[in-house]
Amino acid sequence: GDSVTQMEGPVTLSEEAFLTINCTYTATGYPSLFWYVQYPGEGLQLLLKATKADDKGSNKGFEATYRKETTSFHLEKGSVQVSDSAVYFCALYSGGGADGLTFGKGTHLIIQP
Amino acid sequence: GAGVSQSPSNKVTEKGKDVELRCDPISGHTALYWYRQSLGQGLEFLIYFQGNSAPDKSGLPSDRFSAERTGGSVSTLTIQRTQQEDSAVYLCASSRGQGRTDTQYFGPGTRLTVL
Repeated sequence: GDSVTQMEGPVTLSEEAFLTINCTYTATGYPSLFWYVQYPGEGLQLLLKATKADDKGSNKGFEATYRKETTSFHLEKGSVQVSDSAVYFCALYSGGGADGLTFGKGTHLIIQP
Repeated sequence: GAGVSQSPSNKVTEKGKDVELRCDPISGHTALYWYRQSLGQGLEFLIYFQGNSAPDKSGLPSDRFSAERTGGSVSTLTIQRTQQEDSAVYLCASSRGQGRTDTQYFGPGTRLTVL
């Protein structure tokens, strides 16, 4: 079956540091890939997505590139802010609907001023 | 526009009682999903509805769980004879039902506590 692996953290960085959160996946089909973010006390929000190989998703300064050859979708940001502190979930969806999204365990990111 | 709404936001119940959780999807979205978020298990997919079609129930954790969707819109997740291990946040999501490239939009969740 499908699976997603990501670093769980917590990951603690100083403000303005460079961020990478690794995500790798296993899928039987050709999935779309997503990063969702959960800010403290809030629900899951879509951060970015990519639907085919070599696509780059981007939003709010975050980027991730769909790498089919390495089955990866690493999240990056050049300069993090305190407001980026949240839990980040990598997810995939193979379509057909029956199995829903497959999520990683989530990475808790803490940005210190 | 309005997002996915869920009610109640919090529910505390006693072991053995039945509970009903409600989800109202984004208008025009034909696909609706239920997930469970717990510390031990992370985010788990439970069940999916496409329009009025019969759902795939294989993701439901036990036969105490059931779900229905009326008129292709509002959905109710029912847990009978609740157990302490059912304590979790139950999330609902909806999408346009367009397949692999779809984006699912999540509601705020219902936090269920079973005492």
